[in-house]
Amino acid sequence: AQSVSQHNHHVILSEAASLELGCNYSYGGTVNLFWYVQYPGQHLQLLLKYFSGDPLVKGIKGFEAEFIKSKFSFNLRKPSVQWSDTAEYFCAVTGANNLFFGTGTRLTVIP
Amino acid sequence: EAEVAQSPRYKITEKSQAVAFWCDPISGHATLYWYRQILGQGPELLVQFQDESVVDDSQLPKDRFSAERLKGVDSTLKIQPAELGDSAMYLCASRHSGNYEQYFGPGTRLTVT
Repeated sequence: AQSVSQHNHHVILSEAASLELGCNYSYGGTVNLFWYVQYPGQHLQLLLKYFSGDPLVKGIKGFEAEFIKSKFSFNLRKPSVQWSDTAEYFCAVTGANNLFFGTGTRLTVIP
Repeated sequence: EAEVAQSPRYKITEKSQAVAFWCDPISGHATLYWYRQILGQGPELLVQFQDESVVDDSQLPKDRFSAERLKGVDSTLKIQPAELGDSAMYLCASRHSGNYEQYFGPGTRLTVT
């Protein structure tokens, strides 16, 4: 069965700091990987996705993620965070048609 | 830009009462999902529809939860009777066939007292 682990529950950074959020998944087959973001009071939005090809994928708002198959990881990165990046970030994996989400990482960016 | 619509946005109900949530997916999206998100956790799938048919309801507590999508468009999720542990955000998502990306609605926050 698929599972997703996000080890960072709450990350606090100052503006302009670099960000890396960890995501590890468990699934034996071909996976599709996603990062979703939930800004305060808003619905889940897709940040980026990986289906195949270049393991370094770029998403919206300057975010990127790297798929490392040997490590079963799909970590999210941003070189310089802004206050507006304060949100909850969810990693998700799909094998068949369903999405399996991690528990989420709350990011707080201090101005 | 088309969005998934959900109503109500907030619902407070007493335990043992019945409650229903409605979802209208993006037009043309054949696949519809209902998720439950407990505070501090990621969304968990309750039920998946393909058109009007249930594809996966293995995680749906069928003794109290029911879901339908009679005409293959909008959908209703019902809880009867509600229990305190049902307090959560209920999310609806839809997906176009051949595309893995799911689009989420704003959710219904349920509080059971």
